[in-house]
Amino acid sequence: SYVLTQPPSVSVAPGQTARITCGGNNIGSENVHWYQQKPGQAPVLVVHDDGDRPSGIPERFSGSNSENTATLTISRVEAGDEADYYCQVWDSSSHHFYVFGTGTKVTVL
Amino acid sequence: QVHLVQSGAEVKKPGASVKLSCKVSGYTLIDLSIHWVRQAPGKGLEWMVGFDSEDGGTIYAQKFQGRVTVTEDTSTDTAYMELRSLTSDDTAVYYCASRVVTATYFDSWGPGTLVTVSS
Repeated sequence: SYVLTQPPSVSVAPGQTARITCGGNNIGSENVHWYQQKPGQAPVLVVHDDGDRPSGIPERFSGSNSENTATLTISRVEAGDEADYYCQVWDSSSHHFYVFGTGTKVTVL
Repeated sequence: QVHLVQSGAEVKKPGASVKLSCKVSGYTLIDLSIHWVRQAPGKGLEWMVGFDSEDGGTIYAQKFQGRVTVTEDTSTDTAYMELRSLTSDDTAVYYCASRVVTATYFDSWGPGTLVTVSS
């Protein structure tokens, strides 16, 4: 099965840049999507297809994807960005189809 | 704007079944592909099952095949997911999520339904 590996936690000071990685075998050939989940809430899509933002998502959220690592970048981090973040791909080659990453807790110091 | 409303929390005994609902508004069910994702307490997201709009069939995560059934009532724009032979490992929040036909991501999510399996 396709495995997406994320760091368990990332800490960042307000106003700085947070980078969350998502590692997978040749993930650069897949479309990667990112979700933000705050405690007790449903996930929210923040980036889709590597780097596109849904309507209403601030430009501070951006994404990139190359070779074996996809990255979600949060610029000018705010306290409200503290949340869990998950990457996700659609893997048609396995029986796991929609695969989520292990998740990263972003803490704003 | 798609809006998904899910049924209320459930408490079930081991071995029982649970059937959850997800009502769509803002779109009609036939224009969406509804999927189910669960999250055990303190754990990550786990995709379970959904409707593959490309071939019109249902696709399953291998671990749930044979134990889960999804149905849709287009007259009420409501999707259902039934999970059978529950164990304590099935205790989780179950989300329905939608994707448009051409996408491989979930752009709308329901608020989730907590299912607790306990004797």
